[in-house]
Parts: sequence; C-alpha cells; structure tokens
Amino acid sequence: GAGVSQTPSNKVTEKGKYVELRCDPISGHTALYWYRQSLGQGPEFLIYFQGTGAADDSGLPNDRFFAVRPEGSVSTLKIQRTERGDSAVYLCASSFTGDNSPLHFGNGTRLTVT
Amino acid sequence: GESVGLHLPTLSVQEGDNSIINCAYSNSASDYFIWYKQESGKGPQFIIDIRSNMDKRQGQRVTVLLNKTVKHLSLQIAATQPGDSAVYFCAENTGGFKTIFGAGTRLFVKA
Repeated sequence: GAGVSQTPSNKVTEKGKYVELRCDPISGHTALYWYRQSLGQGPEFLIYFQGTGAADDSGLPNDRFFAVRPEGSVSTLKIQRTERGDSAVYLCASSFTGDNSPLHFGNGTRLTVT
Repeated sequence: GESVGLHLPTLSVQEGDNSIINCAYSNSASDYFIWYKQESGKGPQFIIDIRSNMDKRQGQRVTVLLNKTVKHLSLQIAATQPGDSAVYFCAENTGGFKTIFGAGTRLFVKA
C-alpha cells in the first residue's frame, strides 16, 4: 500500500518568507509526527498528533512554527518568517496507534532558506 | 535527561562479515527501543524493535540486544551485504508516544 507522502520534496525560499510543508500519512494511522533532521544528525522531534489534536508540541523551536491536522489525516507544518537556520530536512511519520509502535517515515521535504 | 547516543559514528565491515552497531541511552524510564536504517535521500526505515521486558529479539539477519542494567542497546547484522550500507539510528520511547533518536552510525560495507 501507499506509504507516507510528503510534498514538496524540495523547497527553496528566501529569508523572511512563509512556507507550508504537507504530509499525507498512511491511511488508518491515527498518530502523526513531524521531525527535523540536520545534516549528520538524527531526527529531532517537533510535534505529535493523535487524531486531530496536537498531543505534544514540545519540540517546536519557537512560535514561528505551527502544525495542523484538521481532519485527522493530512497534516501541514507551517513556518513563518523563515530564517537560514530553519534549513533542514523535515520528516513526517505516522504510526498505527502511536503507543510504542514503530514510525513509518516519508522521504522528507528538504527546506533551504537563502 | 533524555538522550540517545552511539559509541561509533562510522563502521566499516567486509561483505559477508557480521556487523555490530552499539548504542547507549540515558533515560532509565525508556520502555521501547527501535532501530532504523536510513539511506541517502530517504526517510528512516524501521528494522526491528524491542520492549523493555525482553533482552533479545531476532528478525531476518538482524538481532537486537538490550541490556537495561548498563542502558545499552546493540544491533547485529549477520552476513552483511552491500545493500546494508546506510546510517543506522537507535531510538527510544519514554511514555509511549515520543520517539527520541540518537545521532546515528554510518555503516560502510566493503566488497
């Protein structure tokens, strides 16, 4: 079946601009996660959704970052006033329940802020 | 605090040999551990997991060992193949929902 889909695969934007990154999870997966991965590092937790609600957003670095999942399926990560330090690969993952179950990752969106 | 680290950033093995990738974790409350494989340009891919009430679990060509006494996790790959070349991450869950990743080990397989 279809895996986790992320669009776009690459995004180049200018400093100060607004970007939206989209994630389509595996159908039927209730839990959805966003991670950020810098070069040579492991994925860094940003936010976790259980259904439509953000159950844990403790990893969002500041209030420029926001994520939604209005119908409990597709999620959008929104970054306002982008900074060069936001450049990274943004990974989305879903899991069947979220509770001690493995994550299924998409291939990420590579964000470059110039 | 929560942290997951790896002993070696790079591991080079000969094709056909066994590989062992080690990982130390610091949170004694962690109860679920996972190994992921990441190839260039792709997201991490689940390999194998283990719960804290177990000390060993085997999959196809892979074995995960957990030693909670010293907070150590290892991934063993039997008969390593060129397709095993990738970055391997150990990850831990505390409280069920939040997965924390380590920095990763890059595995090179020499033909």
